[in-house]
Amino acid sequence: DAGITQSPRHKVTETGTPVTLRCHQTENHRYMYWYRQDPGHGLRLIHYSYGVKDTDKGEVSDGYSVSRSKTEDFLLTLESATSSQTSVYFCAISESRSGEANYGYTFGSGTRLTVV
Amino acid sequence: QKEVEQNSGPLSVPEGAIASLNCTYSDRGSQSFFWYRQYSGKSPELIMSIYSNGDKEDGRFTAQLNKASQYVSLLIRDSQPSDSATYLCAYGKGRRALTFGSGTRLQVQP
Repeated sequence: DAGITQSPRHKVTETGTPVTLRCHQTENHRYMYWYRQDPGHGLRLIHYSYGVKDTDKGEVSDGYSVSRSKTEDFLLTLESATSSQTSVYFCAISESRSGEANYGYTFGSGTRLTVV
Repeated sequence: QKEVEQNSGPLSVPEGAIASLNCTYSDRGSQSFFWYRQYSGKSPELIMSIYSNGDKEDGRFTAQLNKASQYVSLLIRDSQPSDSATYLCAYGKGRRALTFGSGTRLQVQP
């Protein structure tokens, strides 16, 4: 999607290895998110960021960490990959909100991760 | 109870018919509601947002929100085979990240 790119697009890794997924945006949006999508579970929030060095955990954060040292980059790290982390990972960005309104997300193209 | 409930489908409609997709949510404080379309193997794409009770129309799409009933729906008029996709419902509340349903798969039969 224009303005947001994820890398890599596909990755196969071995159990126990660390893995880092990158999300890069050119929209200068303040808010960034990492979700995973699995059959039957929909999109589940892993971590999110409201700005540089401002991150917090989502509902499925165990085994994951994030970093945001620049507005444009949001990194997701699987500290020691497990088979249960085989999934499709989506990064999303959103504009700063006005009051309580949420303007919705733009998603990246996703990373398909397989842990063997 | 799931925070967002959607019938997984598939919902099958003939070409040219109206497709009706439904979503219920549990958080009464929810303030913003969204419908995303996701083609197989692709990322979700925002198609509708709605913030107030009532209807909001955009082309062939109409979103309907009833906060008292905690219910949001999406109508697709004159359904086309290209509308075949999974439709995700989501809601937002304040600064919280969006919460998504598992999606309804729509099949439009030519």
